[in-house]
Amino acid sequence: GAVVSQHPSWVICKSGTSVKIECRSLDFQATTMFWYRQFPKQSLMLMATSNEGSKATYEQGVEKDKFLINHASLTLSTLTVTSAHPEDSSFYICSAGEETQYFGPGTRLLVL
Amino acid sequence: DAKTTQPTSMDCAEGRAANLPCNHSTISGNEYVYWYRQIHSQGPQYIIHGLKNNETNEMASLIITEDRKSSTLILPHATLRDTAVYYCIGRNRDDKIIFGKGTRLHILP
Repeated sequence: GAVVSQHPSWVICKSGTSVKIECRSLDFQATTMFWYRQFPKQSLMLMATSNEGSKATYEQGVEKDKFLINHASLTLSTLTVTSAHPEDSSFYICSAGEETQYFGPGTRLLVL
Repeated sequence: DAKTTQPTSMDCAEGRAANLPCNHSTISGNEYVYWYRQIHSQGPQYIIHGLKNNETNEMASLIITEDRKSSTLILPHATLRDTAVYYCIGRNRDDKIIFGKGTRLHILP
């Protein structure tokens, strides 16, 4: 299947700082990518749809000014968690694909 | 996405076939049945998908009932590495994926 990568795989940051997470489609182009968040012992929750060349679409309850998404090329989407707080600590996962969605390995964020 | 219902958890002995059921009685005619699994602390892994016909690949088989209201994912010879949460999803192929709670499959040695 298609390969989706994420970077970094884990990150620790101080409260109030911003963290950028990258999602790349390695062997295909993706006009659309999706960002999810997963808290311990819970299922994945869709945060937003990242659209190449246009604004992201956010799910209800997700703050677009806090979770900035940029999809500047057909193989890269970035999620920036701005002014991170401990409650933003979570497992962030992206997906991309043409008909079948393939998921990245995830990025574990710990905000101290 | 169609609403799906799966058992919360299941056990299966190592080496035996694991049969994971999924109910999707409200699935529409052009929605596919997708299966993913998530091994602890990893991103979800695509397993298989189908529309009407049964499907088989190197990982699993998917049996869809004729009325398409339910399906069964079959792992023919379960190993300890198959311990994971398995998600059944009904969706159009271009739609975003909304995850339910899935089935936590424990493979017992």
